[in-house]
Amino acid sequence: DQQVKQNSPSLSVQEGRISILNCDYTNSMFDYFLWYKKYPAEGPTFLISISSIKDKNEDGRFTVFLNKSAKHLSLHIVPSQPGDSAVYFCAASASNTGKLIFGQGTTLQVKP
Amino acid sequence: DSGVTQTPKHLITATGQRVTLRCSPRSGDLSVYWYQQSLDQGLQFLIQYYNGEERAKGNILERFSAQQFPDLHSELNLSSLELGDSALYFCASSATRGGYTFGSGTRLTVV
Repeated sequence: DQQVKQNSPSLSVQEGRISILNCDYTNSMFDYFLWYKKYPAEGPTFLISISSIKDKNEDGRFTVFLNKSAKHLSLHIVPSQPGDSAVYFCAASASNTGKLIFGQGTTLQVKP
Repeated sequence: DSGVTQTPKHLITATGQRVTLRCSPRSGDLSVYWYQQSLDQGLQFLIQYYNGEERAKGNILERFSAQQFPDLHSELNLSSLELGDSALYFCASSATRGGYTFGSGTRLTVV
């Protein structure tokens, strides 16, 4: 049972344009959501998070949007840069447990 | 350097064998999490320890076990290895909820 789903395995965008990565979840107990970025041969690194009491969180070029009614979140990267090319994982957790449940990841390629 | 150290970085072993993966969490972090990433798969949660106690279990096989020692380092033991166990195994630590810091992983290849 995949509680966190990233339905797009890959995404390709042009440098300077917006990248939008999507994530859906099924567990209504999830109340904290995160995005991680992973380069080859490295562990995932934390990018940005959002609590369920918010619907938007912004950090520089990265913005995460949360739509609780649709159980959907998205990560916007504007403007996209070639260095953003990586695998992006969406993750969620419920307040009664510390564990993060991850999606399958989306490979983003930003072309110069 | 994330502060989470995993050893070894690479491991090649034969089917039926037993291996131990080691993780040293970031200084001050009491929680350790183990994840498995197989080819084309996301990060699958295996198990969590908090200050030496098992806190949560995920899809961890009975052939796999883990523990966290008094100095907070953790070991993941994989036994009776099968070809399908070949994967990247990540350890993460945290002090607060959601503040995971990952190690660079151990790539296990079972031949």
